[in-house]
Amino acid sequence: GDSVTQTEGQVTVSESKSLIINCTYSATSIGYPNLFWYVRYPGEGLQLLLKVITAGQKGSSRGFEATYNKEATSFHLQKASVQESDSAVYYCALRGYNQGKLIFGQGTKLSIKP
Amino acid sequence: EAAVTQSPRNKVAVTGGKVTLSCNQTNNHNNMYWYRQDTGHGLRLIHYSYGAGSTEKGDIPDGYKASRPSQENFSLILELATPSQTSVYFCASGDALGGSAETLYFGSGTRLTVL
Repeated sequence: GDSVTQTEGQVTVSESKSLIINCTYSATSIGYPNLFWYVRYPGEGLQLLLKVITAGQKGSSRGFEATYNKEATSFHLQKASVQESDSAVYYCALRGYNQGKLIFGQGTKLSIKP
Repeated sequence: EAAVTQSPRNKVAVTGGKVTLSCNQTNNHNNMYWYRQDTGHGLRLIHYSYGAGSTEKGDIPDGYKASRPSQENFSLILELATPSQTSVYFCASGDALGGSAETLYFGSGTRLTVL
């Protein structure tokens, strides 16, 4: 079945430094999946950060970017300069083409060092 | 403001007891979902619904029932709670119009501890 892998459970980055959170996926359904990043701030529910539904395209929101790389089956999340307010848990997710179910990665907790 | 509200926020239950987790959405979305989140795991789908009166099994439905009495409300029921069901539970609603690009809107979660 489909799966999403986030290799880092926790990442610590100094404020104003760059960030990359890795996400790779495996999709067995025909066609290219839709890819998502959700974020969960402390005390809140998950909310959509960005999504990309076309292979090769880039999505961006709140200074974050992710590029849908179908050759590498990756959808890494990047930010050039993190802020303390970015402290949260980030989830990569996939929904197969014409599929209803959203598959989540394990989540990566981002901590910012002042 | 459109929202997904879960209750209770925290719950402590005894083994063998009945637990009901409630979810209310004001998004007027057809689709609703129940997930659980455990350390080291992504969110895993327990049950979902396409509209009032419908419930479907997700990936890990054993030990759980679901009820969708109205468009707005979707409950998760643990008839005989076990310690393995200790987890954080999230409810979400989704606008089916997005198809496979559907965005989910989540509640803040319910932390359930079964002793």
